[in-house]
Amino acid sequence: AQTVTQSQPEMSVQEAETVTLSCTYDTSENNYYLFWYKQPPSRQMILVIRQEAYKQQNATENRFSVNFQKAAKSFSLKISDSQLGDTAMYFCAFMKHGFNQGGKLIFGQGTELSVKP
Amino acid sequence: DAMVIQNPRYQVTQFGKPVTLSCSQTLNHNVMYWYQQKSSQAPKLLFHYYDKDFNNEADTPDNFQSRRPNTSFCFLDIRSPGLGDAAMYLCATSRDRPGQGRGNQPQHFGDGTRLSIL
Repeated sequence: AQTVTQSQPEMSVQEAETVTLSCTYDTSENNYYLFWYKQPPSRQMILVIRQEAYKQQNATENRFSVNFQKAAKSFSLKISDSQLGDTAMYFCAFMKHGFNQGGKLIFGQGTELSVKP
Repeated sequence: DAMVIQNPRYQVTQFGKPVTLSCSQTLNHNVMYWYQQKSSQAPKLLFHYYDKDFNNEADTPDNFQSRRPNTSFCFLDIRSPGLGDAAMYLCATSRDRPGQGRGNQPQHFGDGTRLSIL
């Protein structure tokens, strides 16, 4: 069974600074997808960034980038130039490749990020 | 422009009284998912529909059922809610499942319905 672990329940960062959220996962699969989702307080979960395991290049989306280390099964999220609107719960998630898996997301426990002015 | 709409945002029901949560989508996506998220925990998939094909997770209690009468709507029925079923219920959609159609597509989530049991 796949598991996703986020070892930092809470983090805080000053506005405009950089923060890195950690995620590790366990799987015997070779082909899969990894995601970071953001869930602001009382608002919907939205996709921040995703990575396909067969791609060696780390994904980037504007101020968000990942450090994907397949051998180490590590998938950290770096947020540059943090903004107050980045305050949210961040979930790391894993998805197996293959339609018979249904696209099931397996989430970590989440990291609550606070951006302070 | 809300694309995945969940109603109501807050639902209160009595112990043992059946309750239905609603999800609709304007994205015309093939796949609809229901996740349960208990307080301070990660969301956990209950089941999903691929078109009209229902796929239950092995550890989803029998108390939870789902219906998808058409592409746009999907319902979560809890037949006899217990105190342990109090949670946020998240509906999500995606165009296809990994390996089908256009392959892996991101899941779009609704705002969730927070269910309380009295």
